[in-house]
Amino acid sequence: DVKVTQSSRYLVKRTGEKVFLECVQDMDHENMFWYRQDPGLGLRLIYFSYDVKMKEKGDIPEGYSVSREKKERFSLILESASTNQTSMYLCASRPQGAQNYGYTFGSGTRLTVV
Amino acid sequence: QKEVEQNSGPLSVPEGAIASLNCTYSDRGSQSFFWYRQYSGKSPELIMSIYSNGDKEDGRFTAQLNKASQYVSLLIRDSQPSDSATYLCAAMGDSNYQLIWGAGTKLIIKP
Repeated sequence: DVKVTQSSRYLVKRTGEKVFLECVQDMDHENMFWYRQDPGLGLRLIYFSYDVKMKEKGDIPEGYSVSREKKERFSLILESASTNQTSMYLCASRPQGAQNYGYTFGSGTRLTVV
Repeated sequence: QKEVEQNSGPLSVPEGAIASLNCTYSDRGSQSFFWYRQYSGKSPELIMSIYSNGDKEDGRFTAQLNKASQYVSLLIRDSQPSDSATYLCAAMGDSNYQLIWGAGTKLIIKP
């Protein structure tokens, strides 16, 4: 089974802190994604990566950055956490070019910024 | 703007009945479609994918695709209380890597 692992299930951080959310997948997938999910707003794409060292902005990149130094790891960085970044963060991966292959999600990180 | 539309619900169905979930999409170039189930507080999990017109069955689940009408549906037979969840519909965009997501339909199965 493909496994996508997010390092923390729950995080509480203070306003202004730099926050790192880590995601690791074990199936050699090229494509990786970071979403946030808020009640009533659905899944919103923050950033995605085609492959190692590649990154593209999604729909809501402001206040976030990403790093993909190794194929298996995709990190989301909140440069200076704010209370409006309190949310569920979901990482996902899929193999490049496999049109009929959906995303596999990690278990999510629920981040609270106080 | 490429969109996937779902009725947010909640859709309430008696236990043992057929639950029917619907989804429409705007991008005629979409080729593949996916249904995910998401329990409250959990991450989405893939339950069905479909890319050819017609029906695809997997156990109690049947996905239906009509590309001419740009319509995808998911039928759940013999609904169980454990099927109560939010169901997300997604379409693979023409970029071939990015899914376009619906907002989800909340399904409640009443014992």
